[in-house]
Amino acid sequence: QSALTQPASVSGSPGQSITISCTGTSSDVGSYNLVSWYQQHPGKAPKLMIYEGSKRPSGVSNRFSGSKSGNTASLTISGLQAEDEADYYCCSYAGSSTLVFGTGTKVTVL
Amino acid sequence: QVQLVQSGAEVKKPGASVKVSCKASGYTFTSYYMHWVRQAPGQGLEWMGIINPSGGSTSYAQKFQGRVTMTRDTSTSTVYMELSSLRSEDTAVYYCSLGSSLERWLIDYWGQGTLVTVSS
Repeated sequence: QSALTQPASVSGSPGQSITISCTGTSSDVGSYNLVSWYQQHPGKAPKLMIYEGSKRPSGVSNRFSGSKSGNTASLTISGLQAEDEADYYCCSYAGSSTLVFGTGTKVTVL
Repeated sequence: QVQLVQSGAEVKKPGASVKVSCKASGYTFTSYYMHWVRQAPGQGLEWMGIINPSGGSTSYAQKFQGRVTMTRDTSTSTVYMELSSLRSEDTAVYYCSLGSSLERWLIDYWGQGTLVTVSS
């Protein structure tokens, strides 16, 4: 299984909105409603931000939203804040009892 | 509350094996699947496999087939991940992570991670 493709980095100014893409194939992202997004600060374990493509766990800010179209999922962070600076990973069920992560995106708040 | 407590850092020589443990608490151990995910220094997350603590069935990423073994001990609510024939590229932080009550393929809790260093 190949990793899902994400941009290496995305940046934005405080208050702006940014979108991170996650491109897979018809065998993973395109076939299942099982895309999740994780935020990871340096030296910390990942934290679940979005699941099933667009659902937010309790406690996650509504500034985070997710969507999917075809083989590409997206995470949008609106009203960017300094605390959002972190690495973000998408993840999808890939069939045959396997999971695949994205390559990761470093978000920088300018 | 859910807690996943992993064993401490390990230093191994190339060719050796390592066995990392993950002790679970705060929920019914046999009710939720457990994943193992690793992260090499400065690199991304990589899924290794999943184990059903109830029956012990497993599924591994193709990359690790033949080198990884995931087991569990229901008497101590502990899952284990053993990786053999270690090479320098296996140097990474290894996480156990819990499949959600909603869906086994959704990870919603993570252990603190165990650093495994492979060096001669």
